[in-house]
Amino acid sequence: NAGVTQTPKFQVLKTGQSMTLQCAQDMNHNSMYWYRQDPGMGLRLIYYSASEGTTDKGEVPNGYNVSRLNKREFSLRLESAAPSQTSVYFCASSPRTSTTTNEKLFFGSGTQLSVL
Amino acid sequence: KQEVTQIPAALSVPEGENLVLNCSFTDSAIYNLQWFRQDPGKGLTSLLLIQSSQREQTSGRLNASLDKSSGRSTLYIAASQPGDSATYLCAVRRPNQAGTALIFGKGTTLSVSS
Repeated sequence: NAGVTQTPKFQVLKTGQSMTLQCAQDMNHNSMYWYRQDPGMGLRLIYYSASEGTTDKGEVPNGYNVSRLNKREFSLRLESAAPSQTSVYFCASSPRTSTTTNEKLFFGSGTQLSVL
Repeated sequence: KQEVTQIPAALSVPEGENLVLNCSFTDSAIYNLQWFRQDPGKGLTSLLLIQSSQREQTSGRLNASLDKSSGRSTLYIAASQPGDSATYLCAVRRPNQAGTALIFGKGTTLSVSS
């Protein structure tokens, strides 16, 4: 069972370069999320997609764009990378939307991004 | 604004000891609370989920409790083992207009020595 798959695992960018982080899940989940994890800051939500065709901003959306390509895939794009975006990025998915009280989140293994 | 705090930030114990990790949150309007484990360089694995209407959940040597009125949760680990060494994060799931998302604490890094 693959679960949530993120690519790439590691990436080094120069300031101003662009790139797209890819995420795919094979669990037929409706909701997908992008988080970043920074030392001393914990995990913070960047964007999420409650269901196919919808996306919403999270706590720290500036400098990022997302695309929910289909039910399986949710990509995160950095249009012009900045050193402040150096972080570990995690994609996650969960079965259903909104008011379900007992749904768990399933995480990918992360992408370590360095912006020089 | 919902804030989640975990104390202590780090904890070291000898193998076999029972231990408690603490999590507090500022807004009691939550759908559920989850405890996760994160190993170095890895993603997060969900350990236990407590619904807002529940008081506790158990899985093996792990027991998580929830007291919404006081804004607190604890994760009890019985008979700790070196393999329990990891960072433990709690997260609360809050309602909002378009969907729900988790608010994470910064985690407690546990080290169990043999």
